[in-house]
Amino acid sequence: NAGVTQTPKFQVLKTGQSMTLQCAQDMNHEYMSWYRQDPGMGLRLIHYSVGAGITDQGEVPNGYNVSRSTTEDFPLRLLSAAPSQTSVYFCASSSNRGRSEKLFFGSGTQLSVL
Amino acid sequence: AQSVAQPEDQVNVAEGNPLTVKCTYSVSGNPYLFWYVQYPNRGLQFLLKYITGDNLVKGSYGFEAEFNKSQTSFHLKKPSALVSDSALYFCAVPPAGGSYIPTFGRGTSLIVHP
Repeated sequence: NAGVTQTPKFQVLKTGQSMTLQCAQDMNHEYMSWYRQDPGMGLRLIHYSVGAGITDQGEVPNGYNVSRSTTEDFPLRLLSAAPSQTSVYFCASSSNRGRSEKLFFGSGTQLSVL
Repeated sequence: AQSVAQPEDQVNVAEGNPLTVKCTYSVSGNPYLFWYVQYPNRGLQFLLKYITGDNLVKGSYGFEAEFNKSQTSFHLKKPSALVSDSALYFCAVPPAGGSYIPTFGRGTSLIVHP
């Protein structure tokens, strides 16, 4: 099993450009989520999904869109990149068996917006 | 709302000495608590979790955590630190209901000196 796969690993954008961060998992997990990691701020939840066709906003959703057309994939779209979106982005997945389930994380995407 | 706090941004310890990384929590009802570790340039990995039962939880890589209800704490411990334990450690708590997508603390950087 590959687990949670994120692409690309690194990306540099200019202000105003758009792009999609890809996330795929092969564990048949219902729950998927996107976090951003910034120094001194830990992990902050951007968007999450509890199943195909269902998404919801997290703590910091502005400037990002998501969709969940399949169980496996959960892409994160930056509509018009801003320097404030420079961060490391992590995708995670888990089963829906309850609060005791652990998260599985991808290896991250380091994004710089100039 | 469920939350966790990590009061220390950084912990320094000499190799061979015991280490403690602190986490306090604020939850309604019975807490479910997690520790994750992030090695440099990697995604987060699950270390251990507390659900119910024994207050001392054992996890991966020789780590353990002590749940203390009266002090609302869930400190991560290891009897003898290794240089390879140097990493970023996150405490996390899932919400009481709904999505079970957890909230993370700000993280504590553990530095083990040779």
